[in-house]
Amino acid sequence: DIVMTQSPDSLAVSLGERATITCKSGRSVLYSSNNKNYLAWYQQKPGQPPKLLIYWASTRESGVPDRFSGSGSGTDFTLTISSLQAEDVAIYYCQQYYSTPPTFGQGTKVEIK
Amino acid sequence: QVQLVQSGAEVRKPGASVKVSCKASGYTFTGYYIHWVRQAPGQGLEWMGWINPNTGDTDYAQRFQGRVTMTSDTSISTAYMELSRLRSDDTAVFYCARGPQYPPLDYWGQGTLVTVSS
Repeated sequence: DIVMTQSPDSLAVSLGERATITCKSGRSVLYSSNNKNYLAWYQQKPGQPPKLLIYWASTRESGVPDRFSGSGSGTDFTLTISSLQAEDVAIYYCQQYYSTPPTFGQGTKVEIK
Repeated sequence: QVQLVQSGAEVRKPGASVKVSCKASGYTFTGYYIHWVRQAPGQGLEWMGWINPNTGDTDYAQRFQGRVTMTSDTSISTAYMELSRLRSDDTAVFYCARGPQYPPLDYWGQGTLVTVSS
């Protein structure tokens, strides 16, 4: 199984400031034949199911605010919230879908400072 | 609009089985896979497997092999996940989610809490 490791486990950011979460995969999730990174990001608020934010490492899901962006390739990925809003308080998970079983990172809790 | 509506909370004793349903609406049920994801209290997300409602094909995570059965009934656009030989550490919220054969998972059910306790 591909191990996904996120850092930090939690972070506190002031409103309007940038939040950055990293995700490292145990092996590359870049599929060379189509040059796509099989990496998604989800947001989970308390008491709610996860919500898809980003797929193919950098493609924003429809309706997701453009303050959320994904980057990276191969084994190292980043989710950036450019200007943190109160409604962004949540746990964020990365997930690889390059190989089965699709595996998630342990999650990063984002709070307001 | 796409919706996945799951059955309600369940309480089971150790060794029993539980069957959770996931009713889909707002899209062609046979056009997408249904995945199941487990989340223990205060813990992260764990993929359990998927079912292709169009063919009935399934793929289960190795750690659930032999204990999980995923089925679907296309006549009522509903998928099911049955977990047997329950243990206390199976206490969790179980989610169904829609996606291609492998993620990303773009729509999720509201979750079903299964509590395993003697």
